[in-house]
Amino acid sequence: GIQVEQSPPDLILQEGANSTLRCNFSDSVNNLQWFHQNPWGQLINLFYIPSGTKQNGRLSATTVATERYSLLYISSSQTTDSGVYFCAVGQGGKLIFGQGTELSVKP
Amino acid sequence: GAVVSQHPSRVICKSGTSVKIECRSLDFQATTMFWYRQFPKQSLMLMATSNEGSKATYEQGVEKDKFLINHASLTLSTLTVTSAHPEDSSFYICSASRQKSYEQYFGPGTRLTVT
Repeated sequence: GIQVEQSPPDLILQEGANSTLRCNFSDSVNNLQWFHQNPWGQLINLFYIPSGTKQNGRLSATTVATERYSLLYISSSQTTDSGVYFCAVGQGGKLIFGQGTELSVKP
Repeated sequence: GAVVSQHPSRVICKSGTSVKIECRSLDFQATTMFWYRQFPKQSLMLMATSNEGSKATYEQGVEKDKFLINHASLTLSTLTVTSAHPEDSSFYICSASRQKSYEQYFGPGTRLTVT
């Protein structure tokens, strides 16, 4: 089955810093989503991005499908950005999740 | 749009009893719904995929007789954990997708504790 690797596994930032999270996957996909899981467990949809580039406020994402990776950029980080960021990729409807990046933003 | 709800948000039950969890798409019709399980400090693992009006497809290693899934309408899917044991304690999350779309929208999750 398809493999999904996220890096780094953990990241500590000072408020205001920028960061890049990476997601590598082992096969072609028809779905790629980025999520933020908040402390209560809710998965927040950040991007649906099987290819191309999207931006939403301080967040942006790029997926290079031919090279099988996606990047999530967080600029001017805030303490409320803390939590776990998951990349999930899909083939034929099902999603396979990476292990996540745990982000901690310090004031 | 694309709001998914789950009920209950938290449940505690005794070993040997059954628990039902509901997943509803509130503002769209969900042709496909998915059930995931997440253990502490781990990622989400897909348990099963259900399409409205048909039997669920279970992932390898998931006992279909233990985790009963019903997708009776385009807005409701239920997961019943039968004869629950402490090792079934986990965070159960559902998701839903629209017709002709692969994007999934997730519910807030249900934390199950079996004592």
